[in-house]
Amino acid sequence: GNSVTQMEGPVTLSEEAFLTINCTYTATGYPSLFWYVQYPGEGLQLLLKATKADDKGSNKGFEATYRKETTSFHLEKGSVQVSDSAVYFCALSAPYSGGGADGLTFGKGTHLIIQP
Amino acid sequence: GAVVSQHPSRVICKSGTSVKIECRSLDFQATTMFWYRQFPKKSLMLMATSNEGSKATYEQGVEKDKFLINHASLTLSTLTVTSAHPEDSSFYICSATLDRTYGYTFGSGTRLTVV
Repeated sequence: GNSVTQMEGPVTLSEEAFLTINCTYTATGYPSLFWYVQYPGEGLQLLLKATKADDKGSNKGFEATYRKETTSFHLEKGSVQVSDSAVYFCALSAPYSGGGADGLTFGKGTHLIIQP
Repeated sequence: GAVVSQHPSRVICKSGTSVKIECRSLDFQATTMFWYRQFPKKSLMLMATSNEGSKATYEQGVEKDKFLINHASLTLSTLTVTSAHPEDSSFYICSATLDRTYGYTFGSGTRLTVV
């Protein structure tokens, strides 16, 4: 079946540091890949996504590139801020196989703490 | 943008009672809605997928008689936790989509505490 593996953390960084959160996946075919962010007590917000190999998703200074050869979708940001403190989830949706939409498969989430 | 409203945000109930959680798509027609459960420091686990007008499809290990899902319209799905027990305490999140290319929009979640 499909699965997503990501570093669990917590990851603690100083403000303006470079961020990388690793994410690798297992799936047949070409899934779509997502990064979601969850602030305390809230639901999930889509941060970025990529739907095919070599696509780069980007938003709010975050980037991730869909690497088919390494089955990875690592999240990066050049300079983090205190407001980036949250839990980040890597997720995939199965390749289209006919029928309706499928639910997402999530990684366990990475708790990011940014210190001033 | 697409908005999904989930209510209540928090609920405390007594063991043995039932609790209903609503999930509404406010500005789009949600052909498919999903219900997830999130345990502390754990990922979101897909519980079931519901398509408007048809029975929900439950993931393996999810008791369909305990977690009743109704998707009666294109904008509303409900999850009813029946005969709740303390082990049902969790964070429940719904998600809605028009189709697989539209993207997934998540509700803000419901914190259920069974005492």
